[in-house]
Amino acid sequence: DAEITQSPRHKITETGRQVTLACHQTWNHNNMFWYRQDLGHGLRLIHYSYGVQDTNKGEVSDGYSVSRSNTEDLPLTLESAASSQTSVYFCASSIAGDGTDTQYFGPGTRLTVL
Amino acid sequence: KQEVTQIPAALSVPEGENLVLNCSFTDSAIYNLQWFRQDPGKGLTSLLLIQSSQREQTSGRLNASLDKSSGRSTLYIAASQPGDSATYLCAVANSGYSTLTFGKGTMLLVSP
Repeated sequence: DAEITQSPRHKITETGRQVTLACHQTWNHNNMFWYRQDLGHGLRLIHYSYGVQDTNKGEVSDGYSVSRSNTEDLPLTLESAASSQTSVYFCASSIAGDGTDTQYFGPGTRLTVL
Repeated sequence: KQEVTQIPAALSVPEGENLVLNCSFTDSAIYNLQWFRQDPGKGLTSLLLIQSSQREQTSGRLNASLDKSSGRSTLYIAASQPGDSATYLCAVANSGYSTLTFGKGTMLLVSP
């Protein structure tokens, strides 16, 4: 079955370290998204991509970067982790332009920055 | 900037009750509105998607309505069950290729 996976599921790191969270989908969706979820803020968009070599900044992109070298993967990199980036991170994907545009979410990665 | 509000933030009901969750949005020029369910420690699962030209969508015991002019959507759950306990999130897309703006969710607890 097609799916969207995230790894690792849990990560503890130290302030200042570079961290990369992986997202992989097997639906061949063009659109991919990264969100963070925090108590009191709900889900907020970090970065998104509408296809290979396309990346765009979301509402809370400072301190994060993404790259899209193929359809299946959109890794999220924290260049220098900060305690404010402790959160649960969700990756999502959707079909481009099919009229429904339902987003399908991965299981999430819980990141703790000490 | 689109803002999405969900009321109430939390709701506790006994099993069997019919209930309504509310979602409001500030910019009525939407492409679609989606309702998601999130179980503790899990990702989001899409429940219903309503296109801007539609007034409602139904799936089993769930019915979602959309009133674009007033900036409101409701999710109606009939004959609630303990398995319906979860957080329900409303999200709005402002174009066909748009990102989603989420509300903060309603945490629902259905007691046996």
